[in-house]
Amino acid sequence: GNSVTQMEGPVTLSEEAFLTINCTYTATGYPSLFWYVQYPGEGLQLLLKATKADDKGSNKGFEATYRKETTSFHLEKGSVQVSDSAVYFCALSAYSGGGADGLTFGKGTHLIIQP
Amino acid sequence: GAGVSQSPSNKVTEKGKDVELRCDPISGHTALYWYRQSLGQGLEFLIYFQGNSAPDKSGLPSDRFSAERTGGSVSTLTIQRTQQEDSAVYLCASRTGQVNTGELFFGEGSRLTVL
Repeated sequence: GNSVTQMEGPVTLSEEAFLTINCTYTATGYPSLFWYVQYPGEGLQLLLKATKADDKGSNKGFEATYRKETTSFHLEKGSVQVSDSAVYFCALSAYSGGGADGLTFGKGTHLIIQP
Repeated sequence: GAGVSQSPSNKVTEKGKDVELRCDPISGHTALYWYRQSLGQGLEFLIYFQGNSAPDKSGLPSDRFSAERTGGSVSTLTIQRTQQEDSAVYLCASRTGQVNTGELFFGEGSRLTVL
């Protein structure tokens, strides 16, 4: 079956530090890959996505590149801000042709940015 | 409203009682999902509705859990004879009819606490 593994948290960084949150996946076929973010007290929202190998998704200074050879989709940001503090979820979508074709999520990584 | 609306936002109940959680998806979204978010466990798929098709109930953890979607819009998740392990945040999400785009729109969730 499909699965997503992401680094355990919490991850604590200082403002302006470089961020990497690792994500690897297992899936049949050619999944689409996503990062969702959940700010405190809010629902999940899509941060970025990539639909095929070597695609780079980007948004709000965050980037992730779909690496088929390493089955990875690591999230990066060059200079984090306090407002980036949130829980980040890596996810994949692989259409099964029937039944639930929703997302398979990782367990989430809690990011804490200190001023 | 413009987004996915869930109610109640918080529910505290006693063990053994039944609870109902409501989700009002984005207008026109044919697909609707329920997920459960438990501390340290990430997001667990519960049930999926797509248009008029039979729902995919493969994620429901026990027969105490059920859900329905009336008129292809509002959905209700019912938990009968609640147990303490049912305590979690229950998230609803919806999307358009396109498959494999993977972008789900989430509500803010209903936090259930079973005493």
